[in-house]
Amino acid sequence: GNSVTQMEGPVTLSEEAFLTINCTYTATGYPSLFWYVQYPGEGLQLLLKATKADDKGSNKGFEATYRKETTSFHLEKGSVQVSDSAVYFCALMNNAGNMLTFGGGTRLMVKP
Amino acid sequence: EAGVAQSPRYKIIEKRQSVAFWCNPISGHATLYWYQQILGQGPKLLIQFQNNGVVDDSQLPKDRFSAERLKGVDSTLKIQPAKLEDSAVYLCASSSSSNQPQHFGDGTRLSIL
Repeated sequence: GNSVTQMEGPVTLSEEAFLTINCTYTATGYPSLFWYVQYPGEGLQLLLKATKADDKGSNKGFEATYRKETTSFHLEKGSVQVSDSAVYFCALMNNAGNMLTFGGGTRLMVKP
Repeated sequence: EAGVAQSPRYKIIEKRQSVAFWCNPISGHATLYWYQQILGQGPKLLIQFQNNGVVDDSQLPKDRFSAERLKGVDSTLKIQPAKLEDSAVYLCASSSSSNQPQHFGDGTRLSIL
């Protein structure tokens, strides 16, 4: 079946540091890939997505590139802010487009 | 655009009691999902509705969990009787169709004593 593996957290960075959160997946066919962010006490918000190989999703300074050869979708940001502190979830949607499979989440803590 | 509304935000019950959660999706969204998010884990799909019909409930523990979406809009998820391992956040999400991005509510945090 489909699965998503994320690097374990927490990831602790100083403000303006470079961020990478690794995500790899196992799936049949050509899934769509997503990053969701969850702030404390809130539901998940879609951060960015990519629907085919070599697509780059981007939003609010975050980027992720769909790498089919390495089955990866790593999240990056050049300069993090305290307000980016949250839990980040990598997810894939199956070929039928009706099921999201989430990774376990990575908590990011950014210190001033 | 109003988001996905869920209530209550928090619920504390004792094991073997019953509990119900309510979800109002974004207006016009045909597809509705219920997820269970155990602390420290990613959400796990429990059930998916397309309008008022069930598309997938393969992960729903049907001996104790039930869900309905009678008029194809609001939905309720019920647990009866609750077990300690049901302690989790229950998230509702909706999308305009099954292959479109899902929008999540803030969830209901359930604690079982």
